[in-house]
Amino acid sequence: AQTVTQSQPEMSVQEAETVTLSCTYDTSESNYYLFWYKQPPSRQMILVIRQEAYKQQNATENRFSVNFQKAAKSFSLKISDSQLGDTAMYFCAFTSGSRLTFGEGTQLTVNP
Amino acid sequence: ETGVTQSPTHLIKTRGQQVTLRCSSQSGHNTVSWYQQALGQGPQFIFQYYREEENGRGNFPPRFSGLQFPNYSSELNVNALELDDSALYLCASSQRDRNTEAFFGQGTRLTVV
Repeated sequence: AQTVTQSQPEMSVQEAETVTLSCTYDTSESNYYLFWYKQPPSRQMILVIRQEAYKQQNATENRFSVNFQKAAKSFSLKISDSQLGDTAMYFCAFTSGSRLTFGEGTQLTVNP
Repeated sequence: ETGVTQSPTHLIKTRGQQVTLRCSSQSGHNTVSWYQQALGQGPQFIFQYYREEENGRGNFPPRFSGLQFPNYSSELNVNALELDDSALYLCASSQRDRNTEAFFGQGTRLTVV
């Protein structure tokens, strides 16, 4: 069975600064995908970034980037130039088929 | 906006009752998955429907059941509601054949009293 662990229940950062959210996972699969989703108070789960396990290059999406360490089964999210609108719950998720396994989430607060 | 819509957005039910939640998938998507998200926790996979058949199930009892229709929309039915069923229920649609990411609806907040 796959598991996803987020060890930081809460984090805070000052506006315009950089923050890194941690995620580790456990799987015996060789082909899989990893995601970071953002869930603001509106409850809608929004995809932030995705990484295919077979790609060595770390994914980037504007201010968001990941550090994917396949051997260590680590998948951290870096948010640069943090904005007030980044305040949300962030979930790391894994899939090797189409079922998503989520971590427990990290509540990120961006302070003005 | 993802194009995935869920209804209703909120509802309150009494223990022992039955409830049906609905989800319209994004255009072009043939797979719908349902998740239960208890307060303060990550979503838990309930089941998935692909081409109108159940295609994978999480650790949920049989009183959780579902349907998928020819237009790929879906229903989640829960019988004999328990207090612990109170949660946010999320629907996600995807295109299975292309292994794309899942797009989520805004969820249905169910409260069982």
